[in-house]
Amino acid sequence: GAVVSQHPSRVICKSGTSVKIECRSLDFQATTMFWYRQFPKQSLMLMATSNEGSKATYEQGVEKDKFLINHASLTLSTLTVTSAHPEDSSFYICSAGMRIAKNIQYFGAGTRLSVL
Amino acid sequence: TQLLEQSPQFLSIQEGENLTVYCNSSSVFSSLQWYRQEPGEGPVLLVTVVTGGEVKKLKRLTFQFGDARKDSSLHITAAQTGDTGLYLCAGGFQKLVFGTGTRLLVSP
Repeated sequence: GAVVSQHPSRVICKSGTSVKIECRSLDFQATTMFWYRQFPKQSLMLMATSNEGSKATYEQGVEKDKFLINHASLTLSTLTVTSAHPEDSSFYICSAGMRIAKNIQYFGAGTRLSVL
Repeated sequence: TQLLEQSPQFLSIQEGENLTVYCNSSSVFSSLQWYRQEPGEGPVLLVTVVTGGEVKKLKRLTFQFGDARKDSSLHITAAQTGDTGLYLCAGGFQKLVFGTGTRLLVSP
């Protein structure tokens, strides 16, 4: 099956610093990648959709300057949390979709971000 | 805005019991998916249902898509402790809308 690798799995950083999270599709080309945020004991909330080579589309209420998304290739998307604050602490999950099966997404294992 | 409401929100049962989780919406979906997520991990796809009225079985799990393609259910027979997790339904084409989630705890 399709594999999506997300790194790092856990990161602890100081308030004010920036953190980059990588999402890679290992054995397929991901035309679209998605970034989600999940609060404890809650469902997934879509933050943004990124297509290779174009700007990401952010969901309402998500600050694009705070959460920078880059989808430079068909196998890699990155999410950078800039000037992180404790309220940005959360579980971030990426997923990748293929052109031929647009209703199916393959998920990474998630990144637990803790901002001190 | 498409919304998917799941019920119950939380279910605690003993091993061997049966259970059903519901996923309901006022919107029509071209397909619905069910995922299971364990703590600290990403969701894992269990099944995709596409046709109204469709029933799919995956060992002890039975998935049903409503005739009108607005709702779905997941039935687990003889639950095991390994079934513990967060069950999520999701619908949509390319951009998925996730359900509110059902947290299942199966005790020995």
